[in-house]
Amino acid sequence: EPEVTQTPSHQVTQMGQEVILRCVPISNHLYFYWYRQILGQKVEFLVSFYNNEISEKSEIFDDQFSVERPDGSNFTLKIRSTKLEDSAMYFCASGYGNYEQYFGPGTRLTVT
Amino acid sequence: AQKITQTQPGMFVQEKEAVTLDCTYDTSDPSYGLFWYKQPSSGEMIFLIYQGSYDQQNATEGRYSLNFQKARKSANLVISASQLGDSAMYFCAMREGAGYALNFGKGTSLLVTP
Repeated sequence: EPEVTQTPSHQVTQMGQEVILRCVPISNHLYFYWYRQILGQKVEFLVSFYNNEISEKSEIFDDQFSVERPDGSNFTLKIRSTKLEDSAMYFCASGYGNYEQYFGPGTRLTVT
Repeated sequence: AQKITQTQPGMFVQEKEAVTLDCTYDTSDPSYGLFWYKQPSSGEMIFLIYQGSYDQQNATEGRYSLNFQKARKSANLVISASQLGDSAMYFCAMREGAGYALNFGKGTSLLVTP
């Protein structure tokens, strides 16, 4: 069964550094998403991407964040200058229609 | 105000028994979708079941069913014949109108005992 994959599974970075989190959505899906989950808290929406542009973003998704679909298969989340409070599990999700969202296994980002 | 409320932080159920996990939602949009996800201790988010606001029948997927009561704005997840592998966090989520974002509840931790 096709699934969303994410790399790396765990990323440790120093405060102020740039990180890129990578996702490979399910191949025929058209809608792509990033969410984050701070340890012990609920999952929070960051951004959705459809037709090569951002379709919706939350207040969390400020100028420090950007997304890209550089080719037909990858979907990336870049954090320009990481802060301690960016430490979280980051989930990529994809869906064929906007009524379904299949999540990847997540990337645990630790900012020190 | 919370869009999704899950009032049970933790639940216990014995193996083979059925369990209901509560979820109430708040929206004024007539078009919305309700989702349930399972998060085992390994951390991934597993999609379980979806209910659209215009769906006439309650959604079912194997041992999972969604008890959708529109007037009460509730979308409870029923797991029949619980298994030890059902022990996990369960999250209810909602998508409103033409929006893309899923708004999640705080989750319910389910422990299935032998």
